[in-house]
Amino acid sequence: GAVVSQHPSRVICKSGTSVKIECRSLDFQATTMFWYRQFPKQSLMLMATSNEGSKATYEQGVEKDKFLINHASLTLSTLTVTSAHPEDSSFYICSAGQVTYEQYFGPGTRLTVT
Amino acid sequence: AQSVSQHNHHVILSEAASLELGCNYSYGGTVNLFWYVQYPGQHLQLLLKYFSGDPLVKGIKGFEAEFIKSKFSFNLRKPSVQWSDTAEYFCAVNVKGGGADGLTFGKGTHLIIQP
Repeated sequence: GAVVSQHPSRVICKSGTSVKIECRSLDFQATTMFWYRQFPKQSLMLMATSNEGSKATYEQGVEKDKFLINHASLTLSTLTVTSAHPEDSSFYICSAGQVTYEQYFGPGTRLTVT
Repeated sequence: AQSVSQHNHHVILSEAASLELGCNYSYGGTVNLFWYVQYPGQHLQLLLKYFSGDPLVKGIKGFEAEFIKSKFSFNLRKPSVQWSDTAEYFCAVNVKGGGADGLTFGKGTHLIIQP
């Protein structure tokens, strides 16, 4: 149980375009999902907390207009990177919480902006 | 805000050696503590967690960790490592309180086990 999927696993896009990443909890309902960013050989940095039916809460320094988060249902959250630039290239990982303090992680999405 | 430091960025051990990875956190209140493992090409998996109670917690694959409140530490241990333990290990915390809270991660420790 407690499986989280992400789609796509890899995406390459051109500078200036937008990319949508999906995060799904497959076998449980998650009122809260989290989005993290992982730079090469570095740790995960929390970007935002996504709550079903309400606006996401962004961490300091994360541009909410650039990283649009939608949590439309208890099993799906999406992250849209708008007007992507090469510096947005990274590994984006989502997690879903079933019990308040425990999170299950997705496999991640490798975004490359050319 | 809380922060997490992992002292060892790269650790190389031989099989059957004992392992201890350090993790310290800074936060003035009560936290939940986690260790996650990321095997090559795979997603993060929970090794063990501490919420409350016995400060010595046992996780999967023979790992354990001890929460020492006075030292703000949550070190990960394994008495005898295996080649398959080669992976990236992350210590993480979140804050007890109302509502869910995202995790703050340490920078990770890259563990290599030599056969």
